[in-house]
Amino acid sequence: EAGVAQSPRYKIIEKRQSVAFWCNPISGHATLYWYQQILGQGPKLLIQFQNNGVVDDSQLPKDRFSAERLKGVDSTLKIQPAKLEDSAVYLCASSFGTGVRTIYFGEGSWLTVV
Amino acid sequence: AQSVSQHNHHVILSEAASLELGCNYSYGGTVNLFWYVQYPGQHLQLLLKYFSGDPLVKGIKGFEAEFIKSKFSFNLRKPSVQWSDTAEYFCAVNANNQGGKLIFGQGTELSVKP
Repeated sequence: EAGVAQSPRYKIIEKRQSVAFWCNPISGHATLYWYQQILGQGPKLLIQFQNNGVVDDSQLPKDRFSAERLKGVDSTLKIQPAKLEDSAVYLCASSFGTGVRTIYFGEGSWLTVV
Repeated sequence: AQSVSQHNHHVILSEAASLELGCNYSYGGTVNLFWYVQYPGQHLQLLLKYFSGDPLVKGIKGFEAEFIKSKFSFNLRKPSVQWSDTAEYFCAVNANNQGGKLIFGQGTELSVKP
């Protein structure tokens, strides 16, 4: 089966610019996650969607980060304006339901802010 | 707040050596435990998981992990590593009352010398 698709794979932007990442989860997976992985650290959950509703966005810096999943399938994560400390890999993941489920990760979108 | 601690940041072994990577978590309730692996340039992949039952779980590629509730630990083991096991390994915890949210450790980089 096809995995979690993400694009772009790599992006370099200047600070204060904006960037958007796209994710298409595994077909049929109702739950979608965005994680941020800073170099040398483990992934940290930014936001979790169940279909098109937000389940958890407690660690999303809402002054600059936004995410949506309008039709309950693919999702977009936006950063505006970007800061140097936003340089990280942005991982999209999906699972069949909520709760105890195996979560499948995409290859990630690497962001460098200069 | 919940946290996951991986004691070793970088482990270097020769082929055929035995491996044990430590993982401890801080959470007093029921947890689900995971080990993920990230090979160079690839996405996070599930190695093994523990939800309940036998505390010794076996995963792919000869890996196993033991859940010791009294020690809040979930250490990863492999009796004989191969060069192809070179990767970064992440321990993750899901608390039963927090949906699908995973809390990751900071990762352990394993380098296996041929």
